[in-house]
Amino acid sequence: EPEVTQTPSHQVTQMGQEVILRCVPISNHLYFYWYRQILGQKVEFLVSFYNNEISEKSEIFDDQFSVERPDGSNFTLKIRSTKLEDSAMYFCASSQVVAAWSSYNEQFFGPGTRLTVL
Amino acid sequence: AQSVTQLDSQVPVFEEAPVELRCNYSSSVSVYLFWYVQYPNQGLQLLLKYLSGSTLVKGINGFEAEFNKSQTSFHLRKPSVHISDTAEYFCAVSEGLTGGGNKLTFGTGTQLKVEL
Repeated sequence: EPEVTQTPSHQVTQMGQEVILRCVPISNHLYFYWYRQILGQKVEFLVSFYNNEISEKSEIFDDQFSVERPDGSNFTLKIRSTKLEDSAMYFCASSQVVAAWSSYNEQFFGPGTRLTVL
Repeated sequence: AQSVTQLDSQVPVFEEAPVELRCNYSSSVSVYLFWYVQYPNQGLQLLLKYLSGSTLVKGINGFEAEFNKSQTSFHLRKPSVHISDTAEYFCAVSEGLTGGGNKLTFGTGTQLKVEL
């Protein structure tokens, strides 16, 4: 069964460093998402991406964050200068565009990357 | 804006007992509703979803949920829990907008702890 994969599973970085979290969405999916979960808190939406551009972003997704689909398979989240409060589990998800008229596309989640900022 | 409330942060229950995890939502438009389960150190797995039609939806692992539009609720139930059901359960909502790419808004989660 196809699945979303994420690398690395755990990333430790120093405050102020840049990190890139990588995701490989399911191959025929066209919508991609990043969510994060700070330890003990709820899962929060960061950004959605479609047709090579951001379709929606949350207040959390400020100028320190960027997303990219550098090739036909990867989807990345970059944090330019990490802060202590960026420590969280980051989940990538993807969904298939079933039809233009469809308003529902199930999101499939990856296992997450735990980011620890020291 | 959509929001989700899970009033119970923790629910302890004995094995083979029934359980209900509560979820209330608010939205100004029609919504889709979901329950996800997160086992320790794992990602999110979809338990069940309500899109339209029958208000009682059945999911994996014997779970079911009932959509109540008048009470804006989507409570999750299982008639008899097993020790392996111990996990964090998240209720989520997505607004029914055409075109896809609908973000999920999650509740704060309910930790279900099944005891022997």
